Amino acid sequence: AQTVTQSQPEMSVQEAETVTLSCTYDTSESDYYLFWYKQPPSRQMILVIRQEAYKQQNATENRFSVNFQKAAKSFSLKISDSQLGDAAMYFCAYRKQGGSEKLVFGKGTKLTVNP
Amino acid sequence: NAGVTQTPKFRVLKTGQSMTLLCAQDMNHEYMYWYRQDPGMGLRLIHYSVGEGTTAKGEVPDGYNVSRLKKQNFLLGLESAAPSQTSVYFCASRLLPGTGRNEQFFGPGTRLTVL
Repeated sequence: AQTVTQSQPEMSVQEAETVTLSCTYDTSESDYYLFWYKQPPSRQMILVIRQEAYKQQNATENRFSVNFQKAAKSFSLKISDSQLGDAAMYFCAYRKQGGSEKLVFGKGTKLTVNP
Repeated sequence: NAGVTQTPKFRVLKTGQSMTLLCAQDMNHEYMYWYRQDPGMGLRLIHYSVGEGTTAKGEVPDGYNVSRLKKQNFLLGLESAAPSQTSVYFCASRLLPGTGRNEQFFGPGTRLTVL
């Protein structure tokens, strides 16, 4: 079974600084997708960024970028110029191609942004 | 579009009571999912549906039943609630794979407490 591990239960960053959240996963599949979701105190799950495993280029979305290392099965999220609104739980998730298309989530990292 | 909506937002039950959580989506999505989120855990899949009239078990299906009588609705039932079912429940939906955006859209969640 696929598993997703987030080894940092909590992280903190100063406003305007950069922070990197770690995620590793285990799979024997070759076609899959990886995601980072943000969950603010409102509980809403918000998609931050996605990466297709077949793409070598790392995905970027404005201040958010990933470092995807397929061989190492690592998928870290970098947040640049951190803002107070970035404070939230961040979940790494995996989805294999085909079948139920279900998401497998890590346990999450709580990010605090200090002014 | 309202997206994915969940009813109710909060509920308190006594052990042994039954209830149904309603998920509705207006995006014509084929696939729908029920997840639960417990403290210190990521979301875990309870049941899912790949189309009207179909359902399948996820990772933690015991104690729950589901129905998908209409494409836009996915119901999650608890026949005899137990304290272990105290959790936040999320519904999600997505398009048929290969037909468009491949992300899941989440509802706002239902916080259920079983006393």
